[in-house]
Amino acid sequence: DAKTTQPPSMDCAEGRAANLPCNHSTISGNEYVYWYRQIHSQGPQYIIHGLKNNETNEMASLIITEDRKSSTLILPHATLRDTAVYYCIVRSEAGANNLFFGTGTRLTVIP
Amino acid sequence: NAGVTQTPKFRILKIGQSMTLQCAQDMNHNYMYWYRQDPGMGLKLIYYSVGAGITDKGEVPNGYNVSRSTTEDFPLRLELAAPSQTSVYFCASSPGTSGSWSTDTQYFGPGTRLTVL
Repeated sequence: DAKTTQPPSMDCAEGRAANLPCNHSTISGNEYVYWYRQIHSQGPQYIIHGLKNNETNEMASLIITEDRKSSTLILPHATLRDTAVYYCIVRSEAGANNLFFGTGTRLTVIP
Repeated sequence: NAGVTQTPKFRILKIGQSMTLQCAQDMNHNYMYWYRQDPGMGLKLIYYSVGAGITDKGEVPNGYNVSRSTTEDFPLRLELAAPSQTSVYFCASSPGTSGSWSTDTQYFGPGTRLTVL
């Protein structure tokens, strides 16, 4: 079941930071926020995940608000290859079927 | 590491034909999954496995079968292909060592695009 809300689309200029928001107001205390992306027709690609602290890896940063009701994925220097659909997913302990890909945000990086 | 590999990339089947979609991973992951993605839709879990010899149904298992005889391989079998099975099929794997479904990161293969006519 969808537990997240994302804007359907966003544009970002090449070289600038892309900030993708996600609302998850009903998130429970032990549920993690995951981000994946899917470049046209390819398999989903894992980006980053977090519980309540901000996280950073080689691909992106994840900022989670203190109340955990929303988060932002930051791609620090967007390139044309970052054009994709980005999915924010709240994962529970419900079992194997807990990776729900909703409609996501289609990010277009503009030259 | 090649990660998760899938073959074939594309396939066209006639109604009633059978085929096996192959999936292999070289990350020594314990868990493996099969998903399907219909056009413009999200992924739906078909079957998953938590180890060799252990499989379980996901959200949409009808019309499919799986087996897991080794840690590396997780083939998906379509016995009597139907037009409703036209979709893109993704295989995924995860370590299965965190003890928690909420932190077990899944890594996906490139997909198999199947058309049933």
